[in-house]
Amino acid sequence: AQSVAQPEDQVNVAEGNPLTVKCTYSVSGNPYLFWYVQYPNRGLQFLLKYITGDNLVKGSYGFEAEFNKSQTSFHLKKPSALVSDSALYFCAVRDSAGGFKTIFGAGTRLFVKA
Amino acid sequence: EPEVTQTPSHQVTQMGQEVILRCVPISNHLYFYWYRQILGQKVEFLVSFYNNEISEKSEIFDDQFSVERPDGSNFTLKIRSTKLEDSAMYFCASSEGQLSGNTIYFGEGSWLTVV
Repeated sequence: AQSVAQPEDQVNVAEGNPLTVKCTYSVSGNPYLFWYVQYPNRGLQFLLKYITGDNLVKGSYGFEAEFNKSQTSFHLKKPSALVSDSALYFCAVRDSAGGFKTIFGAGTRLFVKA
Repeated sequence: EPEVTQTPSHQVTQMGQEVILRCVPISNHLYFYWYRQILGQKVEFLVSFYNNEISEKSEIFDDQFSVERPDGSNFTLKIRSTKLEDSAMYFCASSEGQLSGNTIYFGEGSWLTVV
């Protein structure tokens, strides 16, 4: 069965500094990996995904993520954080080996301080 | 940009009452889902639906839950006899196809409060 872990409940970063939000996964087949962002009292917005190909995936709002098969990780990154990036970030995984189910991590709350 | 729409945005109901949450998925999407999130915490899979039947469901999705696509556009989640612990944000989502790489797009959610 697939699973996904976000080891940090919260990440604090100063505006203008690079940010990283960590995600690791476990699947039986090939992983399909996603990042979503949730602003207060809002739905989940899709940021980016990895299906196949280039390990570095670029997405919305200047975010990118790096797929690392050997470390089973898919960390979300941004070179220069903005205060407006403060939100709840979810990593999600779907397993090519089965099912229609996308499993979400517990979420990481990002605080960007001005 | 096409989006998933959900109604109501917020509903308060008495324990034991039936609730129906409604969703209009993105028009060319074929796969539909319900997820729930309790108090801004983990997003939990409830059920997936394709070709007018449930394709997968979680252990949360017990006999008190049901889903239906009553017409060509709506997708509903019914909770027959609500319990206090059903209080949560319920998200509807849809995706274009069955390939594992297809992105799931979420609605803004329906906040259910059971009192």
